[in-house]
Amino acid sequence: EAQVTQNPRYLITVTGKKLTVTCSQNMNHEYMSWYRQDPGLGLRQIYYSMNVEVTDKGDVPEGYKVSRKEKRNFPLILESPSPNQTSLYFCASSLSTKGLAGGTDTQYFGPGTRLTVL
Amino acid sequence: AQKVTQAQTEISVVEKEDVTLDCVYETRDTTYYLFWYKQPPSGELVFLIRRNSFDEQNEISGRYSWNFQKSTSSFNFTITASQVVDSAVYFCALSEAHQGGKLIFGQGTELSVKP
Repeated sequence: EAQVTQNPRYLITVTGKKLTVTCSQNMNHEYMSWYRQDPGLGLRQIYYSMNVEVTDKGDVPEGYKVSRKEKRNFPLILESPSPNQTSLYFCASSLSTKGLAGGTDTQYFGPGTRLTVL
Repeated sequence: AQKVTQAQTEISVVEKEDVTLDCVYETRDTTYYLFWYKQPPSGELVFLIRRNSFDEQNEISGRYSWNFQKSTSSFNFTITASQVVDSAVYFCALSEAHQGGKLIFGQGTELSVKP
């Protein structure tokens, strides 16, 4: 089954304890991205990757790191989590960003990771 | 600057009613893409439709239909004969051709369908 998976689905942690949220897709997609969803602020992009070893900042990258060593995986790293990073996180992937007229293909989302930082 | 506005924060209907969710977007690009996603109570984001700026044809998929009008910068979503299972938050999103694939989401419309 074609899908985007995230782990863990739920995580409660404490301030300053490094954590990694994994994201994997089995669709051979080039493009992957991370979003966070917060009440009143909606969904905002954190980082994205157009292909292996190519990553770039989205709108809210502070406090996060990513890497793209393999095409299928795009982990999100919080080196020193803080309470303001408590959020619902989504990983997404799409075939490429070279769709019709240079636009983006459809992004398919993982199930989400609900993170609480105490 | 790009922006998506979903003015309806919450809508409540009774089963079998038709309901339209509004979406208005702003962009300076001539090439862009519009999307609708559904977020049921379980929390995942489910893709519903993608439309590019060159295709203004309306789309129908079962009980769902979409009306794209460039003249009014709107991409409205209608559910015909709503069902309880349609209860969810619906997001409209915009992606511009040269913005690295970023999706700009509206704030979402929470639809509640009561039996």
